[in-house]
Amino acid sequence: EAGVTQFPSHSVIEKGQTVTLRCDPISGHDNLYWYRRVMGKEIKFLLHFVKESKQDESGMPNNRFLAERTGGTYSTLKVQPAELEDSGVYFCASSPGTPKNIQYFGAGTRLSVL
Amino acid sequence: GQQLNQSPQSMFIQEGEDVSMNCTSSSIFNTWLWYKQDPGEGPVLLIALYKAGELTSNGRLTAQFGITRKDSFLNISASIPSDVGIYFCAGPPLGANNLFFGTGTRLTVIP
Repeated sequence: EAGVTQFPSHSVIEKGQTVTLRCDPISGHDNLYWYRRVMGKEIKFLLHFVKESKQDESGMPNNRFLAERTGGTYSTLKVQPAELEDSGVYFCASSPGTPKNIQYFGAGTRLSVL
Repeated sequence: GQQLNQSPQSMFIQEGEDVSMNCTSSSIFNTWLWYKQDPGEGPVLLIALYKAGELTSNGRLTAQFGITRKDSFLNISASIPSDVGIYFCAGPPLGANNLFFGTGTRLTVIP
């Protein structure tokens, strides 16, 4: 069974440009999460989808970030326009839900904004 | 906001030595998770703890859910070179599904 896959693995863009990250969760997992690790700090939650609906987007830093999960399958996270402080590693995780809600992580996308 | 304080921040040990790291929270957790991240990879779940006082092992790894529900520790016995990586504690805040992560413990094993 394929794990959580993320694309691209690494993206280098200039400040002001747009970048779109993609996450394909484990097949059958209704729950999809986005996290971010910036500058060697702790991994921080961004948002949570249940199927195609945003369950919790309290961690989204600002309106330059837009996440979608059309059809409840893969998800995209778009940053527009990118700023220097957006650099970091963006992780996606998926889980089947209750009762134990174990989250399985992808390898992450390393975003470098120059 | 929610904080998970993890210590130590980094460790350098000789192969064969035992390792201990811990995590404390400012508030109660109902679940404690320990993840390991290898370079270029995402966090991989090592051990999950669901009850206060629970002690769970996974091979050479042992983790415990603190009685107060505000702390947890992870022990690695007889370390080997492939134990190198960053270890994170994590847990969902009460009533939520997302995870809070500790700051991580970077482990280096010297052969």
